[in-house]
Parts: sequence; structure tokens; C-alpha cells
Amino acid sequence: SQTIHQWPATLVQPVGSPLSLECTVEGTSNPNLYWYRQAAGRGLQLLFYSVGIGQISSEVPQNLSASRPQDRQFILSSKKLLLSDSGFYLCAFTPEATEAFFGQGTRLTVV
Amino acid sequence: KQEVTQIPAALSVPEGENLVLNCSFTDSAIYNLQWFRQDPGKGLTSLLLIQSSQREQTSGRLNASLDKSSGRSTLYIAASQPGDSATYLCAGRGGSGGSYIPTFGRGTSLIVHP
Repeated sequence: SQTIHQWPATLVQPVGSPLSLECTVEGTSNPNLYWYRQAAGRGLQLLFYSVGIGQISSEVPQNLSASRPQDRQFILSSKKLLLSDSGFYLCAFTPEATEAFFGQGTRLTVV
Repeated sequence: KQEVTQIPAALSVPEGENLVLNCSFTDSAIYNLQWFRQDPGKGLTSLLLIQSSQREQTSGRLNASLDKSSGRSTLYIAASQPGDSATYLCAGRGGSGGSYIPTFGRGTSLIVHP
């Protein structure tokens, strides 16, 4: 079966520290992968998406970057976190042209 | 670019009521529309997926419809229960531009009180 794993679930990081959030997918190959951010009381904002290894598209220029080192692995990174990077980060995948599956999210608090 | 809007933003109803959540989208060339449930601090749980060739989907007390010509989808919840309290999100995929990225509305926050 198709599953998605996202970790960590909660993260508290100081301003200026680096960030690495990881997402892996099982049970499918060559999925489209996505990173979204959800701010309090707001909708889901698409940050990055990838249609293949090494192919990353950015929707919003910001302090974050994404990489896809393997077919089913998607990583969200930052070299130096800002207070404004706080939020709820969600990874998702779509196996070809079907429904989207989401991870359980990472609550990031930058202090 | 597909844009998705959900109304109402919030809804509070007594237990047992039947209710309708609305989702509208701007591009009728939508590929599919998916409804999700999100509990506080949690990820998204898929409820129903409607492909563009379908008019509705049902799962238990939930029924979702899709009308591409009017750019609308509705989620009908029958006999609401306190356990239905959550935020409901709809996401549309596809459009005239060929993008298949899920585009979300801001959600409807539902409270069902006993």
C-alpha cells in the first residue's frame, strides 16, 4: 500500500539555526512530491513541488530550499531559520493522476 | 491558474443536523477534486475524491458532488455528530494550464455541539 512518512512531528529551533525536514514515500514510484506550509488560520501554501529526481520547482521565493535526492525522498531545508518560518509543514505525494496523500505534518516553532 | 474558495469559513451546528460545505473553483477544466478533513495539529485525511468524469462520490454519511460547469463542489454531511468537528478542506487539481498541483481553499472550520 502507498504510505508517506514525515518527520519530525514537532521541532523547536532557534533563529539562525539550520533546518532539515524529511519525507519519504512507499508503495509507488516516480510520484509527484510537494511541500506545503500552513500558517495559523490560513490555507495551505505550496512551497515546492517535484515531478522527478533533481527536478524542483519553487512557488514562493523565501528562506527555504528543497531537494529530491532519491525518487521517493523529499527534503525541506534552510541554512538559517527566521521567526517567520514558523508554521505547520506538510509533505504530500500524488501517485500519477490520482488522489493526494499527506504526511502527518511537522510543527516548526522558531524561537 | 486554478483558484479555490470555500464558504463558509466557519460553521457551528447542533448535533444531528444535515449540513453542506461549499467549494468553488475558477477553471472548469479541473482534473479532479478532493475533500479532506484536518483535526487540530494533524495532517490531512482524505475523505472523498471526485474525478472530472464523475458527478458525485459517497462514503458513509458523506456525499460530495462536482459540477464543473458551475465551478462548484459540495460536501454533504448527514446527521452530524460531535466527532465530525474538524476543518474541512477541498483541493482541485488540473486546469487549462495543465498543472496538476493540488490547489486548496482555506477550509471550513466545523463545530458540532452536543
